[in-house]
Amino acid sequence: GENVEQHPSTLSVQEGDSAVIKCTYSDSASNYFPWYKQELGKRPQLIIDIRSNVGEKKDQRIAVTLNKTAKHFSLHITETQPEDSAVYFCAASIWDPGSARQLTFGSGTQLTVLP
Amino acid sequence: NAGVTQTPKFRILKIGQSMTLQCAQDMNHNYMYWYRQDPGMGLKLIYYSVGAGITDKGEVPNGYNVSRSTTEDFPLRLELAAPSQTSVYFCASSLQQNEQFFGPGTRLTVL
Repeated sequence: GENVEQHPSTLSVQEGDSAVIKCTYSDSASNYFPWYKQELGKRPQLIIDIRSNVGEKKDQRIAVTLNKTAKHFSLHITETQPEDSAVYFCAASIWDPGSARQLTFGSGTQLTVLP
Repeated sequence: NAGVTQTPKFRILKIGQSMTLQCAQDMNHNYMYWYRQDPGMGLKLIYYSVGAGITDKGEVPNGYNVSRSTTEDFPLRLELAAPSQTSVYFCASSLQQNEQFFGPGTRLTVL
């Protein structure tokens, strides 16, 4: 099955700096890559996703890049703010028509934005 | 809309006891999922359903059972609780293969 590795496990940045979180996946058939943000004691929430037919996607201060050849994708957060502090999870799945998306998650990155 | 709701929020079980974790959604989503999240780890898929009457195993189904008699409800059953099932359980739903929306979670401790 699919295996997703995520690095680093913890990341501290100064407010206003950028943060980058990287994930690698093992199954070349994976074609959907979402990123979730989970605040302490809360539910995971989707912040951005990318499909394998594009190499980059942006949404305000958040961007995701995908390198299919190397089988890795990254989350970039610019101009970090204290409210960005949370655990971030990457995930990967294969699109199978008529079936549910079976997401395989990375182990998470605890991002701390220092004021 | 309440979105995805889960009950109970917390539960402590003794080894060998049984319980059902409830999950409901009011978004008319056809796909529903159960995940578990162990401390410091990502989520692992237990079971999923693409519609009423249809369920399938995920990555870690052993020790669990599910049913989907209606579009709205997707209960998760633990028959013989074991300490290894101590975890936070999240239910999620989606419209087809679009964004998965998660419930608030159930924190289960098995002693």
